[in-house]
Amino acid sequence: EAQVTQNPRYLITVTGKKLTVTCSQNMNHEYMSWYRQDPGLGLRQIYYSMNVEVTDKGDVPEGYKVSRKEKRNFPLILESPSPNQTSLYFCASKLWGTGGSYEQYFGPGTRLTVT
Amino acid sequence: GQQLNQSPQSMFIQEGEDVSMNCTSSSIFNTWLWYKQDPGEGPVLLIALYKAGELTSNGRLTAQFGITRKDSFLNISASIPSDVGIYFCAGHGSSNTGKLIFGQGTTLQVKP
Repeated sequence: EAQVTQNPRYLITVTGKKLTVTCSQNMNHEYMSWYRQDPGLGLRQIYYSMNVEVTDKGDVPEGYKVSRKEKRNFPLILESPSPNQTSLYFCASKLWGTGGSYEQYFGPGTRLTVT
Repeated sequence: GQQLNQSPQSMFIQEGEDVSMNCTSSSIFNTWLWYKQDPGEGPVLLIALYKAGELTSNGRLTAQFGITRKDSFLNISASIPSDVGIYFCAGHGSSNTGKLIFGQGTTLQVKP
């Protein structure tokens, strides 16, 4: 079954305590990305990766880091979380096939609260 | 940066009615996408559009890629209660296909 998994699903932490949210996909997709969702703002892209060792900034990268050492995993790292990073986070992976076919899957989300 | 304006923000309709929502941008997009998000879940892709003027259907859903490449609309015909959710438009801009920009979302409620 095609799947994007995220862990943890829920996390409450304190300001400044480094954390990592993991994301893994089983579809051999080259493209992976991270989004945050806040009420009234839709989803905003944090970082994306077109392939292993290739990452680039989305619209809201400040305060986040990513790495792509292997194709299936794309962890999101918050080195020093702050309360304004309290949000719902989604990881997604995508196949951009020949002929323009678009196949994308989102993970179930990680709800992060920073106090 | 590029932005998408999605309207309406919310809709409350009677079961069986048709629904229309749209997305506009001040800049050109190469790909338009429409997603649905159910409560507590991630977005699910409904329709992808690749060419200006393209009209694509998926069951009761129809979406079009505007001729100017700066807008798109989604229609839902004969709505049913399970259509309830948040609908998002999204697009890949002309200059960078890796970036994906989302609209603010349209919350749809259907009264049985």
